[in-house]
Amino acid sequence: AQTVTQSQPEMSVQEAETVTLSCTYDTSENNYYLFWYKQPPSRQMILVIRQEAYKQQNATENRFSVNFQKAAKSFSLKISDSQLGDTAMYFCAFMKQDTDKLIFGTGTRLQVFP
Amino acid sequence: GAVVSQHPSRVICKSGTSVKIECRSLDFQATTMFWYRQFPKKSLMLMATSNEGSKATYEQGVEKDKFLINHASLTLSTLTVTSAHPEDSSFYICSARPDTDTQYFGPGTRLTVL
Repeated sequence: AQTVTQSQPEMSVQEAETVTLSCTYDTSENNYYLFWYKQPPSRQMILVIRQEAYKQQNATENRFSVNFQKAAKSFSLKISDSQLGDTAMYFCAFMKQDTDKLIFGTGTRLQVFP
Repeated sequence: GAVVSQHPSRVICKSGTSVKIECRSLDFQATTMFWYRQFPKKSLMLMATSNEGSKATYEQGVEKDKFLINHASLTLSTLTVTSAHPEDSSFYICSARPDTDTQYFGPGTRLTVL
């Protein structure tokens, strides 16, 4: 069975600084997808970034980028130039290819300070 | 694009009554929708996968007679919590998947059973 581990329950960063959230996963599959979702205080889950396991190039979306290390089964999220609106719970998620089931980590609460 | 709505956003009901929650994909068709439950400060737990025109697939430990799911059209799935009890109080979130491997989430419904 697949598992997703987020070892940092809480993180904080000052506005405009860079922060990295860690995520590791365990799977015997070769084809899968990885996601980072953000859940702000409104509780709305928002897709931040996704990565296909077959792609070696790390995904980027504006200030958000990932460091995908397939051999190490690591999928960290880097937020550059942090903004107050980045304050949220961040969930890492895994999905095996050809299935619909998302497996979530326990989340990291990120607080951005002015 | 890829907007998912939920209604109601908040509901309070008496113990023993049934509550229906709607999940709609607003700008795409979704043959598959998903229902999650989230306890305070916890991750999302998949309850069931809702398939248009067929029976839902429930995760282990989820009572299908308790949580009735109907996916009557390509844009609407409903979750009915039958004979609700206080322990059913939770935050329920739906998601839908267009023709991609990414799930888009609704804003959630907070259910409080008195």
